[in-house]
Amino acid sequence: KNEVEQSPQNLTAQEGEFITINCSYSVGISALHWLQQHPGGGIVSLFMLSSGKKKHGRLIATINIQEKHSSLHITASHPRDSAVYICASFTGNQFYFGTGTSLTVIP
Amino acid sequence: NAGVTQTPKFQVLKTGQSMTLQCAQDMNHEYMSWYRQDPGMGLRLIHYSVGAGITDQGEVPNGYNVSRSTTEDFPLRLLSAAPSQTSVYFCASSYTGLLLETQYFGPGTRLLVL
Repeated sequence: KNEVEQSPQNLTAQEGEFITINCSYSVGISALHWLQQHPGGGIVSLFMLSSGKKKHGRLIATINIQEKHSSLHITASHPRDSAVYICASFTGNQFYFGTGTSLTVIP
Repeated sequence: NAGVTQTPKFQVLKTGQSMTLQCAQDMNHEYMSWYRQDPGMGLRLIHYSVGAGITDQGEVPNGYNVSRSTTEDFPLRLLSAAPSQTSVYFCASSYTGLLLETQYFGPGTRLLVL
């Protein structure tokens, strides 16, 4: 089993701030996924990466395979970014999920 | 495309009752999976399937059965519900289950077992 830990558990930011959410995992992985869970419960996939860095709009995800660590960055945060962000490691045919980081962005 | 659909949205059961949570996708995805989400625990894999006729256990399979007779449908059966199975259940799918594919999640089923 791959232990996946996220930090912080909860995060409150002012609109416009730069945000970083961290994810570490215990076992070598094939890929790491970042997901967003909306306040209504729906889950959407944000990023999938196995190395380096990916960028979608104001979101940037990085991964360091040697250190077993990934980060999700949000630039110029906005209240609509308020959600739970979940990282998930993919090992074999299975996903192992972190417990999520609850982000609240205040106008 | 409807994407991944789940029914029902909410269900209350008594201990010992059985029920089936339905999951369907119309994207011709081979890989489908069931997760449960509990407070403070994160999502945990219950069962998954890499194609019609093929299923395998995940991290927390006890108390649940699955079958995959068609590519579109992947029902999850609770044979004898227990209060410990109170949770929110998500179904997800992807094309083949390979490591860098987008996972598409259903809207979830909230289950309360009394």
